[in-house]
Amino acid sequence: KQEVTQIPAALSVPEGENLVLNCSFTDSAIYNLQWFRQDPGKGLTSLLLIQSSQREQTSGRLNASLDKSSGRSTLYIAASQPGDSATYLCAVDNNDMRFGAGTRLTVKP
Amino acid sequence: DAGVIQSPRHEVTEMGQEVTLRCKPISGHNSLFWYRQTMMRGLELLIYFNNNVPIDDSGMPEDRFSAKMPNASFSTLKIQPSEPRDSAVYFCASSPTAREAFFGQGTRLTVV
Repeated sequence: KQEVTQIPAALSVPEGENLVLNCSFTDSAIYNLQWFRQDPGKGLTSLLLIQSSQREQTSGRLNASLDKSSGRSTLYIAASQPGDSATYLCAVDNNDMRFGAGTRLTVKP
Repeated sequence: DAGVIQSPRHEVTEMGQEVTLRCKPISGHNSLFWYRQTMMRGLELLIYFNNNVPIDDSGMPEDRFSAKMPNASFSTLKIQPSEPRDSAVYFCASSPTAREAFFGQGTRLTVV
C-alpha cells in the first residue's frame, strides 16, 4: 500500500523567504503526483500536477520537482508572501490517490 | 463548468440517523473519489469509481458506509446509522483521463 510522507509537518517563515516542502512516497509506480493547497475550512485547490514522465512543473512562484526513482517530490515557493499561508498536501496517483498529512505553512509579515 | 459540486455543505444530525452526502462531478470526468478528512487521520480515501464502477472500496471504514454512482453525473455516500466518530469533512473529487483531480468544497458532517 502506498504511503506518503510530508516533511516538515509545520513551517513558519518570514515574508520574502524561499522555502521547500518535501514529499516522499514508498511505491514509485505512479501515474502522477499532484500538489494541493488547502485553506482553513476550505476545499483543496490544485497547484501543480507532474506526470510520471516529467521531472518538474512551474507555475508562477511555485516549482515542483519529481524524482520517481527515489520516491521524492519537492515544492519550492519563491519569495513567500503572507497569502501563501495554508496547508500544502501532496498526493500520488497509482490507480487511486493517496495523500500525505500535509505541511502547515505560516508566512509572517 | 462549475466544478465538483457537493451537497449539503454542512450537516448536523443525531446519532443513529441516516446521512446522505451528494456529489456532482465535473462533466466528462471518468473517475470519482470520496475522501474523509479528520484532524487525527488527515485525508483518507474511502472509495473510488471509474466509469461509474466501484474500483476500490477498501477504505470504507465499516458496513455502515456505502457509496453509489448510478450515472456519470451523480454519486452518493451514505452512512446508516451515523455515529459521533463519523464527524469529519467529506470530500468528493473527480478526475479526467489525464488524472488531475479536482475537489469539491466538502461536506462538514457533525453527528451529535
